Amino acid sequence: AQRVTQPEKLLSVFKGAPVELKCNYSYSGSPELFWYVQYSRQRLQLLLRHISRESIKGFTADLNKGETSFHLKKPFAQEEDSAMYYCALRMTNFGNEKLTFGTGTRLTIIP
Amino acid sequence: ETGVTQSPTHLIKTRGQQVTLRCSSQSGHNTVSWYQQALGQGPQFIFQYYREEENGRGNFPPRFSGLQFPNYSSELNVNALELDDSALYLCATSRWERASGQYFGPGTRLTVT
Repeated sequence: AQRVTQPEKLLSVFKGAPVELKCNYSYSGSPELFWYVQYSRQRLQLLLRHISRESIKGFTADLNKGETSFHLKKPFAQEEDSAMYYCALRMTNFGNEKLTFGTGTRLTIIP
Repeated sequence: ETGVTQSPTHLIKTRGQQVTLRCSSQSGHNTVSWYQQALGQGPQFIFQYYREEENGRGNFPPRFSGLQFPNYSSELNVNALELDDSALYLCATSRWERASGQYFGPGTRLTVT
């Protein structure tokens, strides 16, 4: 069965410092990985998809199949990055959009 | 472009009752997924609807059921409510033909007493 692990429930980082939110997954097939973010009092929104290989709001994430990881990184944290971050996996060999989520990491940027 | 909407925002029910939650799809989206998010957890997949039929289901009992309508809006029905059903219920929509990620609604907070 597929699983997504986010080992840190809470992460505090000083403004301007680098950020890394960890995500590991287990899935025997070829996964599609996502990062979702939820800012205070807002809905869950898509931040990144690994197949897009893009940078959004300064965040990047690289899929490492050898380490089964999809860590989210940003070189310089900003106060507006404080939010709840969820890593999610979609199994590409199934005909549906089911996402398996991790338990999330609450990121707090210290001014 | 119209985003995903859900109603009601909050709901309080008694154990054993039945509840219906509603979701309107984002413009251009034809696939709807429902998730349950318990406090302190990530969303858990309940099921998905495409072409008005269930297409994929998570580990939820049959008392969780759904519908999708021709306009792609959807309902989630839960019968015989239990205390553990208390959670945030999220609807997410997407376009089947273009795997561009799912767009979530604001959720319905269900409390079962």
